[in-house]
Amino acid sequence: GENVEQHPSTLSVQEGDSAVIKCTYSDSASNYFPWYKQELGKRPQLIIDIRSNVGEKKDQRIAVTLNKTAKHFSLHITETQPEDSAVYFCAAPRWPGANNLFFGTGTRLTVIP
Amino acid sequence: DAGVIQSPRHEVTEMGQEVTLRCKPISGHDYLFWYRQTMMRGLELLIYFNNNVPIDDSGMPEDRFSAKMPNASFSTLKIQPSEPRDSAVYFCASSLGTGVNQPQHFGDGTRLSIL
Repeated sequence: GENVEQHPSTLSVQEGDSAVIKCTYSDSASNYFPWYKQELGKRPQLIIDIRSNVGEKKDQRIAVTLNKTAKHFSLHITETQPEDSAVYFCAAPRWPGANNLFFGTGTRLTVIP
Repeated sequence: DAGVIQSPRHEVTEMGQEVTLRCKPISGHDYLFWYRQTMMRGLELLIYFNNNVPIDDSGMPEDRFSAKMPNASFSTLKIQPSEPRDSAVYFCASSLGTGVNQPQHFGDGTRLSIL
């Protein structure tokens, strides 16, 4: 089964700076990598995902990159804003093609105005 | 689309009592997941269903926990008897079954406090 490690556990950036969160996975056959954002007291919400047939995907200020050789994927947030402050979780299928996910331990991002 | 609906939003009860959490998945979604979230253990998968059938319950912590899905639009997670260490936020999520690797959509969660 899959194992996902997420770093850092906490991250503080100045408003307008970029933030990068990295996750490593263990199963080289894993093929789907979503990122969830959880604001305080709210539910996790999918913000972006990437499949193994592409190396990068962008959606406005957020992007995800995938390095299959090194078995890691990263979330990039540019021009950070205070509303980006939240906990971010990466995830990967427990086994390739599975609908059940193994979640990382989360990164608490604080954007300082 | 109303999204995944969970009830109650908050539950406070004394240890030893039975607790029942409820979930209505998004219509048309074939998969339903129950998670528990705590500061210490993060987001843990407890059990998941496909077409109302439990597929993997290896995450259920012990026999005090049970889950059912009697039909495609309703699932329950029951704790009996409850203990203080069961205090957590419990999330239900659902996803489509067609194709592989479908995104999961979470409900707003039930914040459970066992006194």
